[in-house]
Amino acid sequence: GAGVSQSPSNKVTEKGKDVELRCDPISGHTALYWYRQRLGQGLEFLIYFQGNSAPDKSGLPSDRFSAERTGESVSTLTIQRTQQEDSAVYLCASSSFGSTDTQYFGPGTRLTVL
Amino acid sequence: SQQGEEDPQALSIQEGENATMNCSYKTSINNLQWYRQNSGRGLVHLILIRSNEREKHSGRLRVTLDTSKKSSSLLITASRAADTASYFCATDLGGSNYKLTFGKGTLLTVNP
Repeated sequence: GAGVSQSPSNKVTEKGKDVELRCDPISGHTALYWYRQRLGQGLEFLIYFQGNSAPDKSGLPSDRFSAERTGESVSTLTIQRTQQEDSAVYLCASSSFGSTDTQYFGPGTRLTVL
Repeated sequence: SQQGEEDPQALSIQEGENATMNCSYKTSINNLQWYRQNSGRGLVHLILIRSNEREKHSGRLRVTLDTSKKSSSLLITASRAADTASYFCATDLGGSNYKLTFGKGTLLTVNP
């Protein structure tokens, strides 16, 4: 596709349930990022994939959060046993190489944990 | 603590006026980027300025970078109501660490 896509656009779940968020980066982009944005706040870095290198997971807030990426394509962010504080917009971005190039963002997934 | 922080937190101006937003950061960087966000969803890249550049223009946007003061400014000239959005600066941590960190943003409101 022409841009980064994310699905679902909105997700409402109950506390304790697991959720999976999907990101389709721009074709050919080797770098992929996940961010979290709480209401009225800036972006919080979660995880960074660059090609076949080991991902930078330093931003994941707890072991309930994990992410995978298959090669240089789709990525899935999984949140296990969701808590109310996980409610946020989860944004995915991709770039052709790290942040030396522009990051292109998807529209985000708005997660609401009841 | 934040690598990049925008100032002011909120700015309200009239259409046609210029808007200036500032960003300060703490460590050396490779580049600094400005993004716009409408309605709390996806961010749109506006402009990237590298650490060896001092000023860059793109349409009605002008970005400056002062590495000695570790600060950048974004100027939007002849603002329009459609410029109403949150504006974020994003910086890396320099060296080989290209991970971007974002500030909390400046909420710009342009009144018709």
